[in-house]
Amino acid sequence: EDQVTQSPEALRLQEGESSSLNCSYTVSGLRGLFWYRQDPGKGPEFLFTLYSAGEEKEKERLKATLTKKESFLHITAPKPEDSATYLCAVQVFGKSTFGDGTTLTVKP
Amino acid sequence: GAVVSQHPSRVICKSGTSVKIECRSLDFQATTMFWYRQFPKKSLMLMATSNEGSKATYEQGVEKDKFLINHASLTLSTLTVTSAHPEDSSFYICSARTGTGVETQYFGPGTRLLVL
Repeated sequence: EDQVTQSPEALRLQEGESSSLNCSYTVSGLRGLFWYRQDPGKGPEFLFTLYSAGEEKEKERLKATLTKKESFLHITAPKPEDSATYLCAVQVFGKSTFGDGTTLTVKP
Repeated sequence: GAVVSQHPSRVICKSGTSVKIECRSLDFQATTMFWYRQFPKKSLMLMATSNEGSKATYEQGVEKDKFLINHASLTLSTLTVTSAHPEDSSFYICSARTGTGVETQYFGPGTRLLVL
């Protein structure tokens, strides 16, 4: 059975304190890994798609990386507006499996 | 980026009534649409997958007669919660993608349903 585990469950940072979120997965035949940001009471907002080990993508203060077993979402010098729940999902054969998310809180 | 809308954004209904939620892809044709349910502080639970013009494929444990899904066009899917009960109260989110391969899913803003 495909499994996606995100850690930590919650992360509190001071503004400017860089850190990483982890998404580890156990799937057969990964076709794509996705990162989303979700604000309370809203639908997930697409951030990145990664297709193969070694791939990296960046957007502003966020950088996503992928290995054969896990993905990291690195947040550099976060700001309070980066506070949200970050979800990762893996896609196998057309269906995506989501992790439970990491709720990030950035204090000013 | 691709935009997906949902209507209504929130709805309150009486127990026993039916509620319809619309999901539209505004600037792309959605071959595949998904319906999720999300409980507070929990992740997304896939309810069903629908391809345009075909019957929806429901996940195990989801009652197809209670949650009716129609994907009649490449830009519109609807979820009807029939004979709603308080336990159906939840946050319902749709998503859409252009094909059946490894395309990105784009999500709607969600619909908050409260059944009294």
